[in-house]
Order: sequence, then C-alpha cells, then structure tokens
Amino acid sequence: NAGVTQTPKFQVLKTGQSMTLQCAQDMNHEYMSWYRQDPGMGLRLIHYSVGAGITDQGEVPNGYNVSRSTTEDFPLRLLSAAPSQTSVYFCASRTGTGRLSFFGQGTRLTVV
Amino acid sequence: GNSVTQMEGPVTLSEEAFLTINCTYTATGYPSLFWYVQYPGEGLQLLLKATKADDKGSNKGFEATYRKETTSFHLEKGSVQVSDSAVYFCALVAQGAQKLVFGQGTRLTINP
Repeated sequence: NAGVTQTPKFQVLKTGQSMTLQCAQDMNHEYMSWYRQDPGMGLRLIHYSVGAGITDQGEVPNGYNVSRSTTEDFPLRLLSAAPSQTSVYFCASRTGTGRLSFFGQGTRLTVV
Repeated sequence: GNSVTQMEGPVTLSEEAFLTINCTYTATGYPSLFWYVQYPGEGLQLLLKATKADDKGSNKGFEATYRKETTSFHLEKGSVQVSDSAVYFCALVAQGAQKLVFGQGTRLTINP
C-alpha cells in the first residue's frame, strides 16, 4: 500500500551541484507530475508525463530535467543547483483519465 | 487560462469556531474541483472533491459546494478543532485537460 514514494525527504546542496529526486508509484498510473511548493505561491507544475517515454514542460521547467523510462518511475534532475531552487518538491500520480491525484510526502531541498 | 484564487491567510481561529475559506476559479467548461490539505511535515492529502455543478463534497466535517454561477468552491466547517491546523489548497482540473491547477494555499491555525 505504498502509493507514491519520494526520496530523499531532505537534502542540502551547494550551488552548482547536481542531484536527482526520485519518485516511484505502484498504482500503475499513467500520469505523473512534479510540483514545487513555495510560500504564498501554492504548488507550481514543473514537468509532467502522460506515459512512459512521454514528458512535457509545466509552468516552471527551467533548471530541471525529467525522463520516464518506466510507468513506475519519474525522476527529477537538477543539473546545476541554484539557491532559487530551494523549495519543497512534490511528486504526484493519477490514472490517465482520472481527475484525482495522489501525492508523495515531499522532498525539502535547500541550496546554499 | 485556468486559475484558482484562495482567500489570503494565515487564518487563526479558536477551537469550535466556524470556518470558511473562500475559493474562486477561472476555467472553461466544467472543471473538477478539489480541496487538498497539508498537515505539518506531511504531503498533500485529498480532503474532498466535486465533479459537477451543485455537487457537495464532504469529509471529516468539512464541506464545499460546486457553484457554477459564482465559480466558487468555498470550504466550510461548523466547529473546528486544533487538529484541523494545516495548509489548505483549492485546486481544479479543467474539462478535457490534464493539469491540476492550485491556489496559493491558506494556512489555518486553531488555538485551544
């Protein structure tokens, strides 16, 4: 009964470092997405995927890359971290035709 | 474009007070509407939803009615508890669309 699993829960990076935030779901959902949560701005969509091999940009894609090689996994990559990427990141998934999204517990990232 | 506007927070109430958090939206057609809740240190959980006009979503004593004429989905609870302290997000998925669009969130604090 895992649902959507994100790792790590917390991370501190130095400016310029790279890292990958992991997201996995075990519900066979076609649609997966990444959001960032910043104070007073709600959740903003970074990238999303409607199925394996298909990804597209959301509202704030700059500085982030994604890939979707399997239905289960949707990693988010920061190639060169910047302080502006300090945020809480959430991964979500749902069925292709459904409207209800399921969220992971979040990753709190600090870039110093 | 599609958007969601929530009342600004933070909101602070005493236990057993009546709660209203306003949410209005802009979207074409008939979107599906959601309230998500984020308890301290946790991810987002679905609180309630409504998928067509005049539907009332309810859960844990919270209610919200889909009002097409006023494009609103206000969240209400008759008697709040300290355990209701959280951040509440109103969100929508537009008809025929894939993306979940969030409001900015409202932080609610309930004092004993």
